[in-house]
Amino acid sequence: DAEITQSPRHKITETGRQVTLACHQTWNHNNMFWYRQDLGHGLRLIHYSYGVHDTNKGEVSDGYSVSRSNTEDLPLTLESAASSQTSVYFCASSESGQGWNEQFFGPGTRLTVL
Amino acid sequence: KNQVEQSPQSLIILEGKNCTLQCNYTVSPFSNLRWYKQDTGRGPVSLTIMTFSENTKSNGRYTATLDADTKQSSLHITASQLSDSASYICVVILYSGGGADGLTFGKGTHLIIQP
Repeated sequence: DAEITQSPRHKITETGRQVTLACHQTWNHNNMFWYRQDLGHGLRLIHYSYGVHDTNKGEVSDGYSVSRSNTEDLPLTLESAASSQTSVYFCASSESGQGWNEQFFGPGTRLTVL
Repeated sequence: KNQVEQSPQSLIILEGKNCTLQCNYTVSPFSNLRWYKQDTGRGPVSLTIMTFSENTKSNGRYTATLDADTKQSSLHITASQLSDSASYICVVILYSGGGADGLTFGKGTHLIIQP
């Protein structure tokens, strides 16, 4: 069955370190997204991609970067981790085209920055 | 600014009872509205999607309603079960002519079903 996976599921790191969160989907979807979820906030869009070599900034992109070298993967990099980036991160994918296509979410990565 | 407000923030009900969750939005131009269920420690999973011309859509014991004139949606859960304990997230999709980023998420309602 097609799926979307994230790794690691839990990560503890120190302030200033570079961290990369992995996202892999086997749906063959063109669209991929990264969100963060914090108490008191809804899911907030960090970066998204409509296809290979395409990346776009979302609402809260400062301090994060992504690259899309193939259809299946969209890794999220925190260049220099900050305590404000402690959060739960979700990756999602959807078919290309309209915004109303269902986004399929991964299980999430809980990141703690000390 | 496009906003989605959900109420209540949290709700506790007894198993077997019904409940209704509310979603009010100011997103314009409106395209679609989707309800997600998010179990603790998991990613959200879609329950229903409604276009502006639909008033009601059901998925088992879940029934979503939409009033595009008043910009309100509700999610009604019938005969609640312990497995319904989760957060329910309302997502309003902006009509952006093809953009996949025009989604506004509500903060969710945290529902607890007690035995």
